[in-house]
Amino acid sequence: KNEVEQSPQNLTAQEGEFITINCSYSVGISALHWLQQHPGGGIVSLFMLSSGKKKHGRLIATINIQEKHSSLHITASHPRGSAVYICAVRSNTGSGGGADGLTFGKGTHLIIQP
Amino acid sequence: NAGVTQTPKFRVLKTGQSMTLLCAQDMNHEYMYWYRQDPGMGLRLIHYSVGEGTTAKGEVPDGYNVSRLKKQNFLLGLESAAPSQTSVYFCASSTSSVGGYTFGSGTRLTVV
Repeated sequence: KNEVEQSPQNLTAQEGEFITINCSYSVGISALHWLQQHPGGGIVSLFMLSSGKKKHGRLIATINIQEKHSSLHITASHPRGSAVYICAVRSNTGSGGGADGLTFGKGTHLIIQP
Repeated sequence: NAGVTQTPKFRVLKTGQSMTLLCAQDMNHEYMYWYRQDPGMGLRLIHYSVGEGTTAKGEVPDGYNVSRLKKQNFLLGLESAAPSQTSVYFCASSTSSVGGYTFGSGTRLTVV
């Protein structure tokens, strides 16, 4: 079973469109992370959330702890935003006490066409 | 540049060979992690460390060993490489169990 589910798995959008990527998780968490992985492979941290909403540039991340759900929105999308977007959670259960890293979703492959 | 540096970036090994992947961070982070990324799967934790001299097993530790002799370095060793260890390996570091993460650029390893 996968504790972190992302949807959609693949998404193609046109430049300028409003894009939403969803993440659902099944465990209690202390934080949720949104990451970006470009072709060529490097992973960059976009947001870390434990409640509410955060915004940076064209990106908005929201989280609903009660519903165990988070969304990543991209406004006025641009081809430079084509990447794999990964949701990951830090569990607040288990013996690791959160020290044993993140549990990752499989990622959403996003292509933004000009 | 500050951050997490992984070496090497690419490597091809023959089955049975050994190698060590090096992860170095200059942010004075306590926590360091080794993950592997395989097609169609999320990143999976191999081993982690919560401080100098300490290591612990993650989700997929078999076939790997690690050492954290210095706070800034976290080494991942493959004693006898197998084709199933063909993967992209990422190192990450964090200030604490609740802090943000910084990732290295990855090591693409192929075992033939």
